[in-house]
Amino acid sequence: QKEVEQNSGPLSVPEGAIASLNCTYSDRGSQSFFWYRQYSGKSPELIMSIYSNGDKEDGRFTAQLNKASQYVSLLIRDSQPSDSATYLCAVTGYNNNDMRFGAGTRLTVKP
Amino acid sequence: SAVISQKPSRDICQRGTSLTIQCQVDSQVTMMFWYRQQPGQSLTLIATANQGSEATYESGFVIDKFPISRPNLTFSTLTVSNMSPEDSSIYLCSVRQGRYEQYFGPGTRLTVT
Repeated sequence: QKEVEQNSGPLSVPEGAIASLNCTYSDRGSQSFFWYRQYSGKSPELIMSIYSNGDKEDGRFTAQLNKASQYVSLLIRDSQPSDSATYLCAVTGYNNNDMRFGAGTRLTVKP
Repeated sequence: SAVISQKPSRDICQRGTSLTIQCQVDSQVTMMFWYRQQPGQSLTLIATANQGSEATYESGFVIDKFPISRPNLTFSTLTVSNMSPEDSSIYLCSVRQGRYEQYFGPGTRLTVT
C-alpha cells in the first residue's frame, strides 16, 4: 500500500467549473498535509497547507481534511486554463520531518 | 518564502563520473531536504540535511552514493557519485519555512549517458 495515494487522472473540467482532487494516506499518525501545484518542467509550488480537521479556504482553493477517514482533498473553484497542472498531495509523519508525496493528479481545464 | 537557487540547472554526464549539485538559499534555514523526481513520477525524499549534523538518509539511499554537505544555514550540496543511467532524474532541494511548509528550488536536470 502506497503511503500517499492520488488518482493519476487526467482530470478534465471545463473552464469555470469546480475541480475536485482527492488524496488518501496510510499513516494514521500523519500530522501535516499539503497541496502542491507543478507545471510541466517546473518545480512544485506550495498552494495550501492544512493541519486540523475541516476546511481551509484561500481564494479559489479549499483544502479539506478528515483525519478519521485519512483523507484530504483540494477544491478549485472557477477553474481557469492556467490551473492546468499536476497537483501533488504531500503528508508528513508524526515528527513532521519527512514529507511524502503522492504520484500527483494531472488536471486539465478546457476553455 | 525563501528564494532558492540550484546549480547547475542541467547537466549531461558520463557513466561512472560524479556530479555535485549546489543549493543556495537567501535566508537562514534549519532544515533542508534533497528530493529526486524521475521522469513522469512523483518526488522521492533522498535525505534531510541539518546544519551541524550528519545527513539522514531515507531507505534505499546511502551516503556513499549521495554524499551531502551542509556547511552553513544557507547552503548545501548533494553529490551523485559513480553515476549510471538510472540516476538520470531531476534533483530538487527544498527548505522548511513557516510551520512545516517546504519550498522547492528550481531543480537540476541530470542526464547520464
